[in-house]
Amino acid sequence: GQSLEQPSEVTAVEGAIVQINCTYQTSGFYGLSWYQQHDGGAPTFLSYNGLDGLEETGRFSSFLSRSDSYGYLLLQELQMKDSASYFCAPEAVYGGATNKLIFGTGTLLAVQP
Amino acid sequence: NAGVMQNPRHLVRRRGQEARLRCSPMKGHSHVYWYRQLPEEGLKFMVYLQKENIIDESGMPKERFSAEFPKEGPSILRIQQVVRGDSAAYFCASSPLLDLRDNEQFFGPGTRLTVL
Repeated sequence: GQSLEQPSEVTAVEGAIVQINCTYQTSGFYGLSWYQQHDGGAPTFLSYNGLDGLEETGRFSSFLSRSDSYGYLLLQELQMKDSASYFCAPEAVYGGATNKLIFGTGTLLAVQP
Repeated sequence: NAGVMQNPRHLVRRRGQEARLRCSPMKGHSHVYWYRQLPEEGLKFMVYLQKENIIDESGMPKERFSAEFPKEGPSILRIQQVVRGDSAAYFCASSPLLDLRDNEQFFGPGTRLTVL
C-alpha cells in the first residue's frame, strides 16, 4: 500500500531554520524527492535522496533513513520567498522503470518577517 | 532549452463536453507524466507514458479519461463528458532517459480546467 505523512502547515521567521518531516509507506520504494510549489504554480525539484544520509544543496538539505521510512527537508536562513508548499515524493519502481512519484498533500510553509 | 510546455493554460468547459490537454516535454525527454491537483490538495499521479506506450495508468479514472504520447507531437490527456468534479489543475512533467543518479521531473505550468 501507499501512505505518506507530513505536517500540513509550518510557520517560521526569516533567518530561522525549519525542518519538514516526512514518513512514508511505499511499495517498491526507490528514493525520496522534495519539490517546492509556489501559489499553485509548477512544482520545482529541490532535492533527491537515493541513499541513506544527508544531501546538501545550498540552503536546503534533505535526509533519508530507509530503515525508518523517514526523511526530512531542512531549510536554513529562511527567506520570505521560501513561503510555499513543500512536497515529499517517494519514488516507486514500476515494472523495472522508476520515476513514478507519489505526492502527499504537502506542507505549507509560511515565513514571517 | 525550452521547458515543459502545456496548453491551454486555462480551459473552460460545460458539463458533457470534451477537454483536451496538451503537453510538450522538454527537448530530449522521452518520459511524460500527468498529475492532477485539486484545490488545496497535493498532486495525484495519473499516468506515465513513453513514446507510443502507456507504462503506468494506475492513477487514471477508469472511465472518460485517456492519455497518449504519439511518436510525433505532444502528449494528450483527454477527458470526455466532463463533470464538475474534473475541475482541477492538470500538470505534466517530463524526464530524460532514466539515470539512476538523476530522477528529477520537470513540470510544466499546468492547465487549469474549469467545468461549468
